[in-house]
Amino acid sequence: QSALTQPASVSGSPGQSITISCTGTSSDVGGYNYVSWYQQHPGKAPKLMIYEVSNRPSGVPDRFSGSKSGNTASLTISGLQAEDEADYYCSSYTSSSTLYVFGTGTKVTVL
Amino acid sequence: QVQLVQSGAEVKKPGASVKVSCKASGYTFTSYDINWVRQATGQGLEWMGWMNPNSGNTGYAQKFQGRVTMTRNTSISTAYMELSSLRSEDTAVYYCASGFTGWFDPWGQGTLVTVSS
Repeated sequence: QSALTQPASVSGSPGQSITISCTGTSSDVGGYNYVSWYQQHPGKAPKLMIYEVSNRPSGVPDRFSGSKSGNTASLTISGLQAEDEADYYCSSYTSSSTLYVFGTGTKVTVL
Repeated sequence: QVQLVQSGAEVKKPGASVKVSCKASGYTFTSYDINWVRQATGQGLEWMGWMNPNSGNTGYAQKFQGRVTMTRNTSISTAYMELSSLRSEDTAVYYCASGFTGWFDPWGQGTLVTVSS
């Protein structure tokens, strides 16, 4: 099971919007609505930001939104803030015995 | 509050085994799966497997089949992950994470396992 493909880095100025893509196959992202997104600050554990493609857990700002089209999922951060600078990982349920696969990770830099 | 607290850092020699614990509090331990995810320094996240604390059923990533065992003790709301035949490439931070189908939340604080001769 190969890792999902994410851009290595994305940057934006405060207040701008950025979008991170997560590309898989019909056996994972395209086949299930079980895509989730995680934010990880240096030295910290990942934090769930989006689940089931577009749902936000309680406490996650509505600046974070998720979507999916075909085999590609996306995370959009609107109104970028300094505290959004972190690594972001997508994850998807898969049809293989390796039930879950993560993306390669994207470093978000706030300029 | 809902949290998972993991055991402390470990240093092991190649060929040895390591057992990491993950104690749940703030929710009913048997209501959600426990997943294990690892992260080598500077690298991405890698899913290792899951366990249903209620039934004890498990599922492991192909890469770890035969080397990993996930168990639990429901009386103390604690899950365990044991990895055997350790090699240097297993040096990583190991996380437990609760969740249901498709998501992992919350996560433990992570346990650094260093494999070195």
